[in-house]
Amino acid sequence: AAGVIQSPRHLIKEKRETATLKCYPIPRHDTVYWYQQGPGQDPQFLISFYEKMQSDKGSIPDRFSAQQFSDYHSELNMSSLELGDSALYFCASSLGDSQETQYFGPGTRLLVL
Amino acid sequence: DAKTTQPPSMDCAEGRAANLPCNHSTISGNEYVYWYRQIHSQGPQYIIHGLKNNETNEMASLIITEDRKSSTLILPHATLRDTAVYYCIVRAVKTSYDKVIFGPGTSLSVIP
Repeated sequence: AAGVIQSPRHLIKEKRETATLKCYPIPRHDTVYWYQQGPGQDPQFLISFYEKMQSDKGSIPDRFSAQQFSDYHSELNMSSLELGDSALYFCASSLGDSQETQYFGPGTRLLVL
Repeated sequence: DAKTTQPPSMDCAEGRAANLPCNHSTISGNEYVYWYRQIHSQGPQYIIHGLKNNETNEMASLIITEDRKSSTLILPHATLRDTAVYYCIVRAVKTSYDKVIFGPGTSLSVIP
C-alpha cells in the first residue's frame, strides 16, 4: 500500500539558511500534519491542514510556515535556521471527513550546522 | 484529551507475549484509545485503536477494561524487530483532523 512520502530524507543546512521540506500524503488523504522530534524527545505537533486550509497549530516557530497545495501535498518552509532546529520532521496524513487514523511518513532529518 | 500513564520501560523475551499497560483514568465517553510505536528514528507506526470493545489485528490485540480506565496492548509473539517506544494515546476524535499528542511512552526491549 502507498505510504506517506517525504523529501528530502536528509538535509544539512547552515545557520540562518532556509529549508523546505515536502510531504506527499497517501492517495485520497486530504489532511496533513507536521511534527518535530528533537534528539531524545517525543514528536511534537507543529501544524496541520485540511482541504488546503490550516486546521490546527501547535508550537510552530514564527520562522516556520507551511501550506497545502491543490494536489494535497504540503511544504514546510523554515527560515533563519537555528542550531536548535536540528531534528526529525515527520509528516502524517489522514482522511479528513472520517475517523481515519493518521499515518506517518519516514521523516526528514535536518541538521543545522 | 485525557492523559495517559505508561511504564517508562519494559523487557520481553523473544517469542513471548509482550503486554504493555496504559492507564487513562480520566478518559471520556467519546475518546478512543490509540497505540502507535516508533522504532528508533523511524516514523511513528500506527498499531491499533479501540473505543470500548477489545480489538485485534495482524499486529496486536487491544484489551480495554470495562470501565475504560485502562488498557493493555498485547504483542502475541514478540520479535527483536518489535523493540521500539510504544505510545498509548487517548484522542477525542471529534473530527479526524485532530493532532496526535505523544507522551513519554514505554520503551520495549525484546531480548533474545
